Amino acid sequence: EPEVTQTPSHQVTQMGQEVILRCVPISNHLYFYWYRQILGQKVEFLVSFYNNEISEKSEIFDDQFSVERPDGSNFTLKIRSTKLEDSAMYFCASSRDRGSTGELFFGEGSRLTVL
Amino acid sequence: QKEVEQDPGPLSVPEGAIVSLNCTYSNSAFQYFMWYRQYSRKGPELLMYTYSSGNKEDGRFTAQVDKSSKYISLFIRDSQPSDSATYLCAMNYGGSQGNLIFGKGTKLSVKP
Repeated sequence: EPEVTQTPSHQVTQMGQEVILRCVPISNHLYFYWYRQILGQKVEFLVSFYNNEISEKSEIFDDQFSVERPDGSNFTLKIRSTKLEDSAMYFCASSRDRGSTGELFFGEGSRLTVL
Repeated sequence: QKEVEQDPGPLSVPEGAIVSLNCTYSNSAFQYFMWYRQYSRKGPELLMYTYSSGNKEDGRFTAQVDKSSKYISLFIRDSQPSDSATYLCAMNYGGSQGNLIFGKGTKLSVKP
């Protein structure tokens, strides 16, 4: 069964460093997303991406964050100058259609720990 | 008032029990309502989605939406130990692209 894969599964970084989280969405999906879940908190929407541009973004997704689809398979989330409060599980997701119905397929997540 | 509220539990039931999970919401503009299941250290997995008010059944799972009360439910019949997971409700506006608003999740444990 096709699945969304994410790397790394866990990354530890120092405050102020840049981090790139990588995702390989399901191959025939066209819409891509990043969500995050701080420990003990809700899963929160960060950004949606389609046709090489951002479709929607939340208030969380400020200038510190950026997304990119550098090639035909990868989808990345870059966090510049990480802060302690960026420590969370980051989930990548993809969907075949525009995601209105909530049919998103999530990866297993990348745990980011900022020290 | 928070947009989506969900009792975090934990909820513990014996195998074979009927489980009822619920969420309330405040924004009447929500149109699509989903239930996701999340096993420990895994990503959320979509169980069911419904549009507007009504019931939807899929095997042992039934999703209910009552838009007049701003209340959604997931029922699990003949619960199994493999159903032990955190259940997340989620919802979104019809025009959004994948911007799901999640509840905090209810942790369910089904004891053999």
